[in-house]
Amino acid sequence: DIQMTQSPSSLSASVGDRVTITCRASQGIGTYLHWYQHKPGKAPQLLIYGASTLQRGVPSRFSGSGSGTDFTLTISSLQPEDFATYYCQQSYTNPVTFGGGTKVEIK
Amino acid sequence: EVQLLESGGGLVQPGGSLRLSCAASGFAFSNFAMSWVRQAPGKGLEWVSSMSGSGGIIDYADSVKGRFTISRDNSKNTVYLQMNSLRVEDTAVYHCAKGVAVAGTGDYWGQGTRVTVSS
Repeated sequence: DIQMTQSPSSLSASVGDRVTITCRASQGIGTYLHWYQHKPGKAPQLLIYGASTLQRGVPSRFSGSGSGTDFTLTISSLQPEDFATYYCQQSYTNPVTFGGGTKVEIK
Repeated sequence: EVQLLESGGGLVQPGGSLRLSCAASGFAFSNFAMSWVRQAPGKGLEWVSSMSGSGGIIDYADSVKGRFTISRDNSKNTVYLQMNSLRVEDTAVYHCAKGVAVAGTGDYWGQGTRVTVSS
């Protein structure tokens, strides 16, 4: 199975901060990498697919980059509604696997 | 507007069974793979199972293989998860998702239904 390792597992940041979350795959996955935002009690929301394509309706402060094994999600200016847990997920091969999550909390 | 609405969760004893349903609307259901993804208390997201639009391709996580069965009824725009031989470690919120499969993207998810396995 492909292991997805996210870092950090949690972070504290202030509104307006630039936030970067990394995701590393245990083997190359091309750009079959997606990022989700999840808030408690809500449906997870797709932010970025194909490593760098912004899902329709998602604010442009979110961006993704990377290919192969190393990927990054960046929030250019953190907003109050962005406090949530973020997950990466690979769809290169079965089983589909998720990273462990990064919880973004208010400083 | 795409909507995914799960139902069927509840409290069940270890060894018991439960059937989850997910009613979909707002897209061409039979054209897309559908999946179940769960989140155990205090844990992250875990993919459980996927089925292609036609039903011809089915995959399961090793943790549920042989105990869970995914199915779909394209005439009712509904996907199901039959869960047998339930274990305490199956306790989780189960989300239905469109496209969380190989080469797919999970562009729509439901809010989930809670399954608690306890004696």
